Amino acid sequence: DGGITQSPKYLFRKEGQNVTLSCEQNLNHDAMYWYRQDPGQGLRLIYYSQIVNDFQKGDIAEGYSVSREKKESFPLTVTSAQKNPTAFYLCASSRGLWTGELFFGEGSRLTVL
Amino acid sequence: RKEVEQDPGPFNVPEGATVAFNCTYSNSASQSFFWYRQDCRKEPKLLMSVYSSGNEDGRFTAQLNRASQYISLLIRDSKLSDSATYLCVVNFQTGANNLFFGTGTRLTVIP
Repeated sequence: DGGITQSPKYLFRKEGQNVTLSCEQNLNHDAMYWYRQDPGQGLRLIYYSQIVNDFQKGDIAEGYSVSREKKESFPLTVTSAQKNPTAFYLCASSRGLWTGELFFGEGSRLTVL
Repeated sequence: RKEVEQDPGPFNVPEGATVAFNCTYSNSASQSFFWYRQDCRKEPKLLMSVYSSGNEDGRFTAQLNRASQYISLLIRDSKLSDSATYLCVVNFQTGANNLFFGTGTRLTVIP
């Protein structure tokens, strides 16, 4: 079955540590995205990528980094510079950039202790 | 003004009722609109896309009012399984981050 897989589902991190969230898709989609969801707020865009080896900052990129070395993979690193990293992180993909018909992974819930 | 605004609810309706949510958007040039369903602590899933005046899929109808800049979602004959948060997404076609998400409207269908 085609889909998008995120791991881990739950992650606990101590302050000052970097963590990397995995996102893999086998839908053959060109575009991939990382969003952050906090209670009472809409999804906010962290980074997006239209093509391999290219990615762009979204609205809240500070304290995050990404890579796109393969079409299928778009990992997100939450660095120690991110001031409030506790959140629900969602990876998504779409056939073309900004088509609006997004497929989401199940999400990764990060808690900083 | 937020780019996309939704009434957060919650909407509590009895089974079998008809319920409608509105979503207003700020960019009159927007061309495409989407409704997503998100269950508690799960990922959003696409429910419906709207590219013209509206769309219908079974018990769900989306209608677009470009003059007043809002899109609505109508659910007929509500089922318990319809309980979820419904997210409105608008493509602003601005060239940078084009997709804007509303905060969602929470629906609870009561037996």
